[in-house]
Amino acid sequence: GAVVSQHPSWVICKSGTSVKIECRSLDFQATTMFWYRQFPKQSLMLMATSNEGSKATYEQGVEKDKFLINHASLTLSTLTVTSAHPEDSSFYICSAASPSGGAGETQYFGPGTRLLVL
Amino acid sequence: QKEVEQNSGPLSVPEGAIASLNCTYSDRGSQSFFWYRQYSGKSPELIMSIYSNGDKEDGRFTAQLNKASQYVSLLIRDSQPSDSATYLCAVSGRSNYQLIWGAGTKLIIKP
Repeated sequence: GAVVSQHPSWVICKSGTSVKIECRSLDFQATTMFWYRQFPKQSLMLMATSNEGSKATYEQGVEKDKFLINHASLTLSTLTVTSAHPEDSSFYICSAASPSGGAGETQYFGPGTRLLVL
Repeated sequence: QKEVEQNSGPLSVPEGAIASLNCTYSDRGSQSFFWYRQYSGKSPELIMSIYSNGDKEDGRFTAQLNKASQYVSLLIRDSQPSDSATYLCAVSGRSNYQLIWGAGTKLIIKP
């Protein structure tokens, strides 16, 4: 249980193009999904929190017009990197929150999407 | 500023020994505590969650929580080379089900 898929796993694009990444919770409904970015040998960095049916909440320093997030259903959230540039090359990982037995929810991660912008 | 602190390591442990990973957190209101494992180039995977003071065991893994000391640890018994990874400690925040992440401890199990 608690499986999260992400597509695509790898994408290479030219500078200036837009890239869409999909995150799906396969066997549970996730009211909240999270998008992270991780540069090589660095920690996870939370980019935004996505709630179904409402606007995403972005972390400080993350441009909401550049990283468009749509959480259209309880099982699907998408991240679109608009006008991508080489500095956007990174490992993008989504997670979906599933109710746990404790006081909060447990985050389950997708396999990640590696983006390379040329 | 809510923080989660981990020793970055690397922590080197011989195969078959017990690996002990530690984490401290600053927010006394935190209710949920998680350990994730991340292999190089892969996304994090959940190993253990713990919500109450004391120990929680799952196979070779034991999570320990001490809310009074704001301390959570992960013990790995009979360490295997396949346990070599970065271990991330995560603590619940107070809103939006967010987690506050430690920077991770790199664990190396030497055959």
